[in-house]
Amino acid sequence: QSALTQPASVSGSPGQSITISCTGTSSDVGGYNYVSWYQQHPGKAPKLMIYEVSNRPSGVSNRFSGSKSGNTASLTISGLQAEDEADFYCSSYTSSSPWVFGTGTKVTVL
Amino acid sequence: EVQLVESGGGLVQPGGSLRLSCAASGFTFSSYAMSWVRQAPGKGLEWVSAISGSGGSTYYADSVKGRFTISRDNSKNTLYLQMNSLRAEDTAVYYCAKVITMVRGVIITGFDYWGQGTLVTVSS
Repeated sequence: QSALTQPASVSGSPGQSITISCTGTSSDVGGYNYVSWYQQHPGKAPKLMIYEVSNRPSGVSNRFSGSKSGNTASLTISGLQAEDEADFYCSSYTSSSPWVFGTGTKVTVL
Repeated sequence: EVQLVESGGGLVQPGGSLRLSCAASGFTFSSYAMSWVRQAPGKGLEWVSAISGSGGSTYYADSVKGRFTISRDNSKNTLYLQMNSLRAEDTAVYYCAKVITMVRGVIITGFDYWGQGTLVTVSS
């Protein structure tokens, strides 16, 4: 099972919105609504930010939102803040594995 | 408060074995599937293995199938990962993670809580 494809890096200025894409296939992202997103600060454990494509766990800021179209899922961070600088990983159920993570995206706040 | 605390990591020679443990608290352990996820130094996350709440169903990534065994002791609220025939490429921080839910008993929906991780280094 190959990793889902994410851009290596995305950057934005404070207050701006950015979007991270996550591209898979019809066997994972496109075939199931079990896409989740994780934020990881250096030296820390990952933290769940979005599950089942667009649901936010309690305690996660509503500046984070998720969506999906076809084989591509997206995470949007609005009102970018300095504390959002971290690595972000998408992930999905896959019929062959049964779980796969994305390649990861480094978010930089300029 | 949900807590997951991994232990058992360390330095092991290629071909050696190691058993990781994850002590869980703050939720009804037996009601939830659990998983192991690893991260090689400077690399991304890689799903390793998962086990159903009862322990009756287990799942493995192709990269560890036949070498690693996941298990759980619900009486002790503890998850395990027995790692045999270790290779240099198994070097990573290993995280224990609680599965949000399993749909139809086989579909993992994500991971809502993670431990702090334990480092496994495979080197001679």
